[in-house]
Amino acid sequence: QVQLVQSGAEVKKPGASVKVSCKASGYTFTNYAINWVRQAPGQGLEWMGWISAYNGNTNHAQKFQGRVLMTTDTSTSIAYMELRSLRSDDTAVYYCTRDRFDYWGQGTLVTVSS
Amino acid sequence: EIVLSQSPGTLSLSPGERATLSCRASQSVRSNYLAWYQQKPGQAPRLLIYGASSRATGIPDSFSGSGSGTDFTLTISRLEPEDFAVYYCQQYGSSPYTFGPGTKVDIK
Repeated sequence: QVQLVQSGAEVKKPGASVKVSCKASGYTFTNYAINWVRQAPGQGLEWMGWISAYNGNTNHAQKFQGRVLMTTDTSTSIAYMELRSLRSDDTAVYYCTRDRFDYWGQGTLVTVSS
Repeated sequence: EIVLSQSPGTLSLSPGERATLSCRASQSVRSNYLAWYQQKPGQAPRLLIYGASSRATGIPDSFSGSGSGTDFTLTISRLEPEDFAVYYCQQYGSSPYTFGPGTKVDIK
């Protein structure tokens, strides 16, 4: 069965970086893109961008340009999302989701606090 | 950027009743690439409908989607206790993919 398993919760200080991982199983990793979506506490969903697991092409929402780096490791079927220069309003649950949003990881809570 | 609005913000209904949720886009959604999700507290969203009207795998036929262009509807024909949740629409036809603010369906 398709599964996306994410790394554990993180606490970071403002200005730091965080790297969230998403390990895929149950399907051919390189056949699908991975999207990243975040959700601030008590708020709605926000799409951050996607990465093709086939060729590494990416497409990010403009608001994250220059601050986000999405990568994949096809040898381990893991996708990564690194967010830099963290601010308090980056506190959120970060989700990875396959291609057409049909399978989701369990979410990773990133807390940014001094 | 396509902005999605959802109405109502909260829908208070009883089990067994019909729920009708609306999603309106600020411009036409390309190829009707419009999805609906259900989210319960502490859980990841669950894909219900894609392509405006196609049910995702394992979704009961009590859920149906309709609409095209800028106006879309999610209908739950008969609410079960497990259907009380927040519902989001999303367009994935144009980047950036955007979500609506959500409709909370709660028990009356």
